[in-house]
Amino acid sequence: QSVLTQPPSASGTPGQRVTISCSGSSSNIGSNYVYWYQQLPGTAPKLLIYRNNQRPSGVPDRFSGSKSGTSASLAISGLRSEDEADYYCAAWDDSLSGLWVFGGGTKLTVL
Amino acid sequence: QVQLVQSGAEVKKPGASVKVSCKASGYTFTSYYMHWVRQAPGQGLEWMGIINPSGGSTSYAQKFQGRVTMTRDTSTSTVYMELSSLRSEDTAVYYCARGGGPITIFGVVTPYYYYGMDVWGQGTTVTVSS
Repeated sequence: QSVLTQPPSASGTPGQRVTISCSGSSSNIGSNYVYWYQQLPGTAPKLLIYRNNQRPSGVPDRFSGSKSGTSASLAISGLRSEDEADYYCAAWDDSLSGLWVFGGGTKLTVL
Repeated sequence: QVQLVQSGAEVKKPGASVKVSCKASGYTFTSYYMHWVRQAPGQGLEWMGIINPSGGSTSYAQKFQGRVTMTRDTSTSTVYMELSSLRSEDTAVYYCARGGGPITIFGVVTPYYYYGMDVWGQGTTVTVSS
């Protein structure tokens, strides 16, 4: 059971816009930055979005992040076949002694 | 370019320990935190802890307290993660991942939560089986 809640799957056709949600609480998303990672099959995660809505250099502007209250979203516009991957949200959680927590991951299928 | 290269796959028996290494290059090793994250087969990501390569201070997720030890060797720019009393549930891919910003800003040490992970190692598969 992950601390952050994501839908297990999402899908879209090439060119479409899809969004992936990430729901948390006041001790994590509500008070800290959200990060998004893309994991292609058989590879290590790759940073996609940091500090809620910032893109590292090299990440296409088709990817965008937002946060409101205790929830966050990742949007992918102009969907491409190579976007088919698992997507994870992450945030610091202030509870107990503190730790980084992740969502359970969303498997994105490009139809 | 920033690169994290991890040690090879390990197969261990229940009750044993495993030590995974992560060699950093392409940046100042002591200037960035290093996280350890694991992923069980077909499962999501799980944060294990973090080390400050400069002073060696660590913070571990409560779940792993008493079983995990993170260390570093500044002479080789390598961090290590040792997990003891292995059980089958520890079968996973273990990743090191750099913290996404400098540990000190204007001489002030940033807290562990200040940056998420940016660059990740390729992963080390640890299999625990009798």
